[in-house]
Amino acid sequence: GEDVEQSLFLSVREGDSSVINCTYTDSSSTYLYWYKQEPGAGLQLLTYIFSNMDMKQDQRLTVLLNKKDKHLSLRIADTQTGDSAIYFCAETPQVDRDDKIIFGKGTRLHILP
Amino acid sequence: SAVISQKPSRDICQRGTSLTIQCQVDSQVTMMFWYRQQPGQSLTLIATANQGSEATYESGFVIDKFPISRPNLTFSTLTVSNMSPEDSSIYLCSVPRADNEQFFGPGTRLTVL
Repeated sequence: GEDVEQSLFLSVREGDSSVINCTYTDSSSTYLYWYKQEPGAGLQLLTYIFSNMDMKQDQRLTVLLNKKDKHLSLRIADTQTGDSAIYFCAETPQVDRDDKIIFGKGTRLHILP
Repeated sequence: SAVISQKPSRDICQRGTSLTIQCQVDSQVTMMFWYRQQPGQSLTLIATANQGSEATYESGFVIDKFPISRPNLTFSTLTVSNMSPEDSSIYLCSVPRADNEQFFGPGTRLTVL
């Protein structure tokens, strides 16, 4: 079945780069997402990548996709205290835009001073 | 982006009672999704709510326990029936928008005593 896995915790010093990794099992995935959840808040869509791309950059965020290895990563450059949150990797297995999303368990990013 | 509101934002309920959660979207959408996020876990899809038809439930979720209404294209309700402490979760509605993005409501934090 479909599965998305990511490590549960990551600690990074302020100013360093954070790299959050994710693996997925469904080879038919079309869109892959990164969501951010701050304490007490709802999910915020950070970025997404289509499966025919291998990289997408948006300001401090860089998404890398290795489709052969089914590996997705999110790099946050110059990590700030405001980046403290849980980051969810997610995928949509089909092309239909109304299809459900499969989420990982989330990676809690902790910023060290 | 979509503006999605949910009511209530949080509630504490007694075992055996029911709670109805409302989800309001600022524009018309074909599909709305209801998710549950149990403590320490990722989001799990409960059901897909289509206007004018019965909701489609995921494995492990049944209509008797989680009845859903979708009276129009901007509104939906999810009822958590005959609650037990295991139902304590954050419940979120979400809508798909252009480019496969998904937008989530702020969530309803439910605690069952």
